Amino acid sequence: EIVMTQSPATLSVSPGERATLSCRASQSVSNYVAWYQQRRGQAPRVLIYNTSTRATGVPARFSGSGSGTEFTLTISSLQSEDFAVYYCQQYSNWPSRTFGQGTRLDIK
Amino acid sequence: EVQLVQSGAQLKKPGESLKISCKAYGYSFIGYWIAWVRQVPGSGLEYMGVIHPTDSDTKYTPSFQGQVTFSADKSITTVYLQWTSLKASDTAIYFCVRVEDYGHFQFWGPGTLVTVSS
Repeated sequence: EIVMTQSPATLSVSPGERATLSCRASQSVSNYVAWYQQRRGQAPRVLIYNTSTRATGVPARFSGSGSGTEFTLTISSLQSEDFAVYYCQQYSNWPSRTFGQGTRLDIK
Repeated sequence: EVQLVQSGAQLKKPGESLKISCKAYGYSFIGYWIAWVRQVPGSGLEYMGVIHPTDSDTKYTPSFQGQVTFSADKSITTVYLQWTSLKASDTAIYFCVRVEDYGHFQFWGPGTLVTVSS
């Protein structure tokens, strides 16, 4: 099973600043990585798929990059609604899918 | 509009059986796999497996193989997640989600909270 490891577990950032979240795969997953945002009490919402494609309706301040085993989600200027938990997911081999353990983004 | 509507919260006792549902609206039901994802309160997301509504082809992750059963009724565009004997450790929120052509998860149901307690 491919293991996805996210860092840091918790990130404290001030509104308006940039946040950078990392995700490492235990083996190459090509570009088959998605990022999800989960606000408290809500279902997850896809932000990015195929490493860098923003899902419909996702603001341009969210961007994804990486390849192989190292991936990054960047939020360029944090808004109040961005403080949530973020998960990466790999989907490189059907039907296997695994999530990272999540990064909590807190207000500093 | 694509929607996945899940059945309501359940409170059950250990050893009881349960079947929860996920009804799809707004797209060709037989065109997409549906995945189930578990989230223990306060914890992360766990992928349980997938089912294809056309022929009920199912694929379970090893952790959930033999512990749960997926099924589908395409006549009413609904998929199900079933337990025959619940344990306290099954307490969680269960999400159904549509698997997109690229393989990621786009449309999520709101989740069903299952609480197993004596």
